[in-house]
Amino acid sequence: AIQMTQSPSSLSASIGDRVTVTCRASQGIRSDLSWYQQKPGKAPNLLIYAASKLQSGVPSRFSGSGSGTDFTLTISSLQPEDFATYYCLQDHIYPWTFGPGTKVEIK
Amino acid sequence: EVHLVESGGGLVQPGESLRISCVDSGFSFSWNWMGWIRQAPGRGLEWVAHINGDGDEKYYLDSVRGRFTISRDNAKNSLYLQMNSLGAEDTAIYYCAKLGMLAGGPNWFDPWGQGTLITVSS
Repeated sequence: AIQMTQSPSSLSASIGDRVTVTCRASQGIRSDLSWYQQKPGKAPNLLIYAASKLQSGVPSRFSGSGSGTDFTLTISSLQPEDFATYYCLQDHIYPWTFGPGTKVEIK
Repeated sequence: EVHLVESGGGLVQPGESLRISCVDSGFSFSWNWMGWIRQAPGRGLEWVAHINGDGDEKYYLDSVRGRFTISRDNAKNSLYLQMNSLGAEDTAIYYCAKLGMLAGGPNWFDPWGQGTLITVSS
């Protein structure tokens, strides 16, 4: 199975900060990656699919990049509603695998 | 607006079976791949299974293959997960989700239901 790692596992940031979360696959997955935001007690919400395509309705401060094994999710200017846990998911081969998550907290 | 609602969770004893359901109140249910994802308490997300629109193509996580069966009833806009031989490791919130697609096959989960909690304990 493809192993997905994320770094950092958690970070503290302030409102207005630029935040970058990294996801790495144990083997190449082309652009077969999506990003999800999960707030406590809620279901995850799709942010980015196909590594860089912004889901409809998601604020443009979110962006994704990368291909192959290394991917990033960037929040250009952190807002109060962005404090959450972020997960990447590879859909390149079965079993689909999620990264362990990155928790973004308030500094 | 697409709205997925799971039901059927609860407390079960190890070795028992349970079937959970997900009803889609939106349109075009039969066109969509559908999937189940679970999240153990305080843990990350884990893909469990998904199924194509016709119900004849299914994929499973290795640790549930042979114990879990995903199915659907398009006439009822419903997705199911039959879970047998449940163990403590299956304790989790189970989410259903639609799968989005680019050319070729399913690629991402959107939207998600609110989840249903299954607790396996004696």
